[in-house]
Amino acid sequence: ILNVEQSPQSLHVQEGDSTNFTCSFPSSNFYALHWYRWETAKSPEALFVMTLNGDEKKKGRISATLNTKEGYSYLYIKGSQPEDSATYLCAPNFGNEKLTFGTGTRLTIIP
Amino acid sequence: NAGVTQTPKFRVLKTGQSMTLLCAQDMNHEYMYWYRQDPGMGLRLIHYSVGEGTTAKGEVPDGYNVSRLKKQNFLLGLESAAPSQTSVYFCASSFSTGDLTSQYFGPGTRLTVT
Repeated sequence: ILNVEQSPQSLHVQEGDSTNFTCSFPSSNFYALHWYRWETAKSPEALFVMTLNGDEKKKGRISATLNTKEGYSYLYIKGSQPEDSATYLCAPNFGNEKLTFGTGTRLTIIP
Repeated sequence: NAGVTQTPKFRVLKTGQSMTLLCAQDMNHEYMYWYRQDPGMGLRLIHYSVGEGTTAKGEVPDGYNVSRLKKQNFLLGLESAAPSQTSVYFCASSFSTGDLTSQYFGPGTRLTVT
């Protein structure tokens, strides 16, 4: 079983503040990293797929970076809004048909 | 497009009963997956399929069986339900492998086994 760790487990952020959290994964046999956003009572939705070391993806106020050599990715949210409240999942792929999901970072934005 | 749908949305079973969860997708995806989600455990892969007529075991396959007789459908069966199978079950599908293509998730099925 591959060890995918996300930290922190939960986070409360004041509206308007920026925040970031981490996904750590084994660097050997790494192929791609997926980030998903999961709102309460809904289904996970894809945010980014990243493959290259040093890659950076951006979607509105959300961005992510990837370090494949040391096995981590950061997700950043700039100017948090209440609609950003969700659980953010990372899921690396190691060159097979499967994703291995982390347990997620639960983000709550305080108005 | 309905995307990925799951039937039923909720179910309560007694220990020892059987049931089948249905996942359907209308995106012509090759790959389909069944996950279970438990508090503090994240999404764990039960079984998956890389095409019609194929199935493979995931991380936690015991107590479950699956079938993919049609490309658009992926069925998850519990032959003799146990309380440990109380969980939320998510189905997902994707165009190809999990490397570069994202998975699309269904709304989930909440199963309680008493």
